[in-house]
Amino acid sequence: QVQLVQSGAEVKKPGASVKVSCKASGYTFTSYDINWVRQATGQGLEWMGWMNPNSGNRGYAQKFQGRVTMTRNTSISTAYMELSSLRSEDTAVYYCARSGSYLGHWGQGTLVTVSS
Amino acid sequence: DIQMTQSPSTLSASVGDRVTFTCRASLSITSWLAWYQQKPGKAPKLLIYKASSLESGVPSRFTGSGSGTEFTLTISSLQPDDFATYYCQQYDTYPWTFGQGTKVEIK
Repeated sequence: QVQLVQSGAEVKKPGASVKVSCKASGYTFTSYDINWVRQATGQGLEWMGWMNPNSGNRGYAQKFQGRVTMTRNTSISTAYMELSSLRSEDTAVYYCARSGSYLGHWGQGTLVTVSS
Repeated sequence: DIQMTQSPSTLSASVGDRVTFTCRASLSITSWLAWYQQKPGKAPKLLIYKASSLESGVPSRFTGSGSGTEFTLTISSLQPDDFATYYCQQYDTYPWTFGQGTKVEIK
């Protein structure tokens, strides 16, 4: 069955960077895009961007341009999302999700806490 | 960006009720709309895609409809497991955008 397993919770100081991983199994990793969505506590869902693991092509929401980088390692079927210049407002649960078009399968989420 | 607006924000209902909530897009998205269910502390779960297609394994009491800019999700007979927050999302145009959610509470 399709599974997306994310790395564990992180605590970072303001100004630092965080890199979250998303390991895929149960399907051909290069056949579907990986998206990243975040959710602050008690808030709604916010789409951050997408990456095609086959080509490496990617697109980011304007809000995150210049701060987010999405990469992948196809040899271990893993996608990564790195967010830099962290601020307190970036405290959220970050999800990876597989898409052909809609977001059919989601990781379990990774809590990133930004605190001094 | 395409804005997605859900109403109501909160809905109080009882087990067995028929409930309907709405999602409106600021521009036409034809039928490129998905609905997700999210429970506290869990990842969202896909219910409906392409506005009205039921995801495999999702109970048939969930029905999606609409096209263009107005969409609805109906639960024909609310079950205890359905108390959750529901989000719509357009995947017509990047950046993909979500509605703010409708929370279904126990009356």
